Amino acid sequence: SAVISQKPSRDICQRGTSLTIQCQVDSQVTMMFWYRQQPGQSLTLIATANQGSEATYESGFVIDKFPISRPNLTFSTLTVSNMSPEDSSIYLCSVDEYSDTQYFGPGTRLTVL
Amino acid sequence: RKEVEQDPGPFNVPEGATVAFNCTYSNSASQSFFWYRQDCRKEPKLLMSVYSSGNEDGRFTAQLNRASQYISLLIRDSKLSDSATYLCAVNPVGTSYGKLTFGQGTILTVHP
Repeated sequence: SAVISQKPSRDICQRGTSLTIQCQVDSQVTMMFWYRQQPGQSLTLIATANQGSEATYESGFVIDKFPISRPNLTFSTLTVSNMSPEDSSIYLCSVDEYSDTQYFGPGTRLTVL
Repeated sequence: RKEVEQDPGPFNVPEGATVAFNCTYSNSASQSFFWYRQDCRKEPKLLMSVYSSGNEDGRFTAQLNRASQYISLLIRDSKLSDSATYLCAVNPVGTSYGKLTFGQGTILTVHP
């Protein structure tokens, strides 16, 4: 399976600031996804990062709050904008290699004060 | 009704026990089904894909029941190292675009 890395692995941020999370894959993949896992909860899909076009957002998530870039087939970024304590979560990117099988990056643990 | 629901758990079993988890899904058009394992403070790792014919990987067996819209995971001869949260995931659309909806997870603790 693809090797996926995320930066930063964790961060503590002040309310009102923004954080950009990077996701790097060691091979070209068609589909990349961003998920959020709030404390004690399961994973919720934020958006699908499409190469060469705008991301597709799930209900409850908007581009102004979570802008996503996908400049090529191995890289994507997710920005969490104007953060509040409710944004404290683990943010995970995943890639879809084949047969809808997804593999996850190690996650970014975000704490907003 | 949630799109994907799992047994509430937690499951607390002794080493060597057999334990089974179920996961129901609401979208009958779902085509792809998976079990993931998530250790504390780690990312989910794919445990098994679930095929219509069922599949087995060592001590783990996954089954799909389309008529009743659920998937199951059976773990035989439980090991201490099996302690984790088990997440089921469903592709509700059945396309190659792989959007997954996850259940809330079932916590398994295997004790000596």
